[in-house]
Amino acid sequence: KQEVTQIPAALSVPEGENLVLNCSFTDSAIYNLQWFRQDPGKGLTSLLLIQSSQREQTSGRLNASLDKSSGRSTLYIAASQPGDSATYLCARGNNNDMRFGAGTRLTVKP
Amino acid sequence: DTAVSQTPKYLVTQMGNDKSIKCEQNLGHDTMYWYKQDSKKFLKIMFSYNNKELIINETVPNRFSPKSPDKAHLNLHINSLELGDSAVYFCASSQRFDDGELFFGEGSRLTVL
Repeated sequence: KQEVTQIPAALSVPEGENLVLNCSFTDSAIYNLQWFRQDPGKGLTSLLLIQSSQREQTSGRLNASLDKSSGRSTLYIAASQPGDSATYLCARGNNNDMRFGAGTRLTVKP
Repeated sequence: DTAVSQTPKYLVTQMGNDKSIKCEQNLGHDTMYWYKQDSKKFLKIMFSYNNKELIINETVPNRFSPKSPDKAHLNLHINSLELGDSAVYFCASSQRFDDGELFFGEGSRLTVL
C-alpha cells in the first residue's frame, strides 16, 4: 500500500516557469509534512517542514502548503532555474515515523 | 562540518559476507534513523532509535541489526549479505522523536555481487 504518492513522477519545464509538485497521503493524523531535494548520488536536503498546525511555509522561491483534511501538500517553485533540477520528495511524519513518496524528478531546461 | 556523516560512502562486497555502516550526528539530536532507498528511488524506513532505545523496527530481515552505542551514533550491521540488499542506505536524525525535522547523511551505496 502506497501511503504517500507524488504526482507527476517526472516533470520537464523551461527556465523561468512557475511549477507545482503534488503530494498526497492516506493518513490525515500527521505530525508534519516535509519536502526534500535529492541531487543524483547525494543525500536528501530538507527544504521545508510544515507542522500539522500550519497551513504553509515559505523559503525564498519555494512555498509549501498542507491540507490535512484532503491529505494533500503542494510544493510551489517560482521562476524555476536550471539549478532547481533534482528529485523532490515529500514525507509525512507521524510519531517518529516518516513515510516518503517516490519523488518527482524535475528538469529545468535553460 | 558535516551534520550527519556516514561511512563508508561506497561498499562492494560478495554475497554471504558481513558488513557494517557507521553513522554519526553532531547536531545533538535525540533520534536517529536508517532508511533504505531501492533502485526505484523509493525510501523506506528500517529502524528508528530515540535516546539509544529502539522505537521503530519495520519488517526488516533479522540479518540487519542496528546498534546505538550512544545518542550520537547509530551503526547498521548486516550479516550474510544477499543480492537484494544492494541499495543506498541513508542515516538520518531529528531533534525530537515525535515531530522533528529530518537531517540526512549522504548515503552509503552497498553493492552485493
